[in-house]
Amino acid sequence: AQSVAQPEDQVNVAEGNPLTVKCTYSVSGNPYLFWYVQYPNRGLQFLLKYITGDNLVKGSYGFEAEFNKSQTSFHLKKPSALVSDSALYFCAVRGSGGYNKLIFGAGTRLAVHP
Amino acid sequence: GAGVSQSPSNKVTEKGKDVELRCDPISGHTALYWYRQSLGQGLEFLIYFQGNSAPDKSGLPSDRFSAERTGGSVSTLTIQRTQQEDSAVYLCASSHTTGQGGEQYFGPGTRLTVT
Repeated sequence: AQSVAQPEDQVNVAEGNPLTVKCTYSVSGNPYLFWYVQYPNRGLQFLLKYITGDNLVKGSYGFEAEFNKSQTSFHLKKPSALVSDSALYFCAVRGSGGYNKLIFGAGTRLAVHP
Repeated sequence: GAGVSQSPSNKVTEKGKDVELRCDPISGHTALYWYRQSLGQGLEFLIYFQGNSAPDKSGLPSDRFSAERTGGSVSTLTIQRTQQEDSAVYLCASSHTTGQGGEQYFGPGTRLTVT
């Protein structure tokens, strides 16, 4: 069965420091991986995706994610956090046999402190 | 351009009543999805539409839930005889392609509260 794990309910980081939000996945076949961000009272916004190619994917707002097949991980990173990055982040996977839906992780709340 | 829109933004209803939630996808997007976001449950897939194909209803939690998509555009999600456990934010998304790499674009959601 396809699944996504976000092991941290919350990540706290000081403004200007690098941030990492962790995601691991389990899927049969080649994974298609996504990160979304949700600001308060807003819908989910697409950040970036990995389909194939380079393991390091760059996305919106300076975020990037690294696909690691051997560790089945797709961690979200940013070199220098901003207070405005504070939000709820969701990792999602779409397996090769389940193209018509996304399986989401439980979400990680990122808090960036001034 | 215009994004995915949903209405109403908030809906409070009494237990046992029926509700209809509406989704307007991005123009030209052929695929439309409904998800539910509940406290403690995360985001769960409900139903998926693609063109004139039969919808994938595998995520609907019970037969009280149904959805339709008219003319390949607007979709309505109907919940009959609402229960308190139906309280959640209902999110609609659309995508340009059903190719597995196609990202989905989400609307702001409808917050449903069943009293």
